[in-house]
Amino acid sequence: NAGVTQTPKFQVLKTGQSMTLQCAQDMNHEYMSWYRQDPGMGLRLIHYSVGAGITDQGEVPNGYNVSRSTTEDFPLRLLSAAPSQTSVYFCASSYQGGTGNTIYFGEGSWLTVV
Amino acid sequence: GENVEQHPSTLSVQEGDSAVIKCTYSDSASNYFPWYKQELGKRPQLIIDIRSNVGEKKDQRIAVTLNKTAKHFSLHITETQPEDSAVYFCAATDSGYALNFGKGTSLLVTP
Repeated sequence: NAGVTQTPKFQVLKTGQSMTLQCAQDMNHEYMSWYRQDPGMGLRLIHYSVGAGITDQGEVPNGYNVSRSTTEDFPLRLLSAAPSQTSVYFCASSYQGGTGNTIYFGEGSWLTVV
Repeated sequence: GENVEQHPSTLSVQEGDSAVIKCTYSDSASNYFPWYKQELGKRPQLIIDIRSNVGEKKDQRIAVTLNKTAKHFSLHITETQPEDSAVYFCAATDSGYALNFGKGTSLLVTP
């Protein structure tokens, strides 16, 4: 099992450009989510999905879109990149919700918007 | 929504000493409390977790305690080693998959 795979690992964007961060998991997990991590802020939830075809907003959803067409994939789209979206992005997945289901993180994607 | 406060933000201890990191949460519905260790440039790694029906859990040199009444939980690391140096995050959730993180504690263990 590859676990949770994120691409790209590093990306530099110009303000106003769009891009998609890819996330895939091969553990047949129902639940997937995206977090961003900024210095001194911990990780904050952007969007999450409880299954194919179902997505919902987290704490900081503005400027991001997601879709979940398959169980395996959960891409995060930046529609018009802004410098405030410079951050490290982590995708995560877990089994069906319930107390104590281990949440697996991808290796992260470092995004810089100039 | 859930609000998780974590203290201290930085902690420096000598090798062999104990380290304690404390977190409070606001939502009484939260029922799962994991702790993550993150080294520079790496992903968060789960080190220990506790469920709301348990008051304490121990795994070798690390332990976590939970006080549901007071809505706080703590991470205890005994006999610290230089390789324990990292940023530690607490989190809370009532869903089991959408985590609310504290802002992290940077732990430095000096030889």
